[in-house]
Amino acid sequence: GDSVTQMEGPVTLSEEAFLTINCTYTATGYPSLFWYVQYPGEGLQLLLKATKADDKGSNKGFEATYRKETTSFHLEKGSVQVSDSAVYFCALSDPQGGSEKLVFGKGTKLTVNP
Amino acid sequence: DTGVSQDPRHKITKRGQNVTFRCDPISEHNRLYWYRQTLGQGPEFLTYFQNEAQLEKSRLLSDRFSAERPKGSFSTLEIQRTEQGDSAMYLCASSPTWETQYFGPGTRLLVL
Repeated sequence: GDSVTQMEGPVTLSEEAFLTINCTYTATGYPSLFWYVQYPGEGLQLLLKATKADDKGSNKGFEATYRKETTSFHLEKGSVQVSDSAVYFCALSDPQGGSEKLVFGKGTKLTVNP
Repeated sequence: DTGVSQDPRHKITKRGQNVTFRCDPISEHNRLYWYRQTLGQGPEFLTYFQNEAQLEKSRLLSDRFSAERPKGSFSTLEIQRTEQGDSAMYLCASSPTWETQYFGPGTRLLVL
């Protein structure tokens, strides 16, 4: 079945450092790809998405490009802030494959120190 | 607040008891999803409704679990004869289309 593998955490960075969180997927169809973020004490929020190959999703300085050839959707940010400390989840959905459910990775906890 | 709401936020119960959780989706969202999240893991899909029809159920949803959405608005998730392995965060999400799901704060269940 469909699956998502993301970089194991935790990740600890200093403020203004460059962030990459790797995500790769396995899917039988042509999925849409998502990054969700969970801030401490809050619910999951959609951070960005891409629905087809070579699309780039971006939001709040984060971006990720849908790479079909490498089945990847890595999350990047050029300069992280303390407020970016959270757990980040990569996910896919493949409704054309018959299901609207989101399939999540295990999550990567990011801590940004001042 | 017009987001997805869930009630209760926390539930502690003894093994063997039944529990019921409620989810109120964003108004006019016809799609409603339930997920379960255990510590250190990503959410896992349980079931999905479009309006009042339950269109998909995960193999994770054993016979002890039942979900309803009787009028196509709020939904309930019931767990009968709870087991310690049912301890988790139960998440509800709603969506107007398949593309973007909006999550509630979750109900944390602890089975003693």
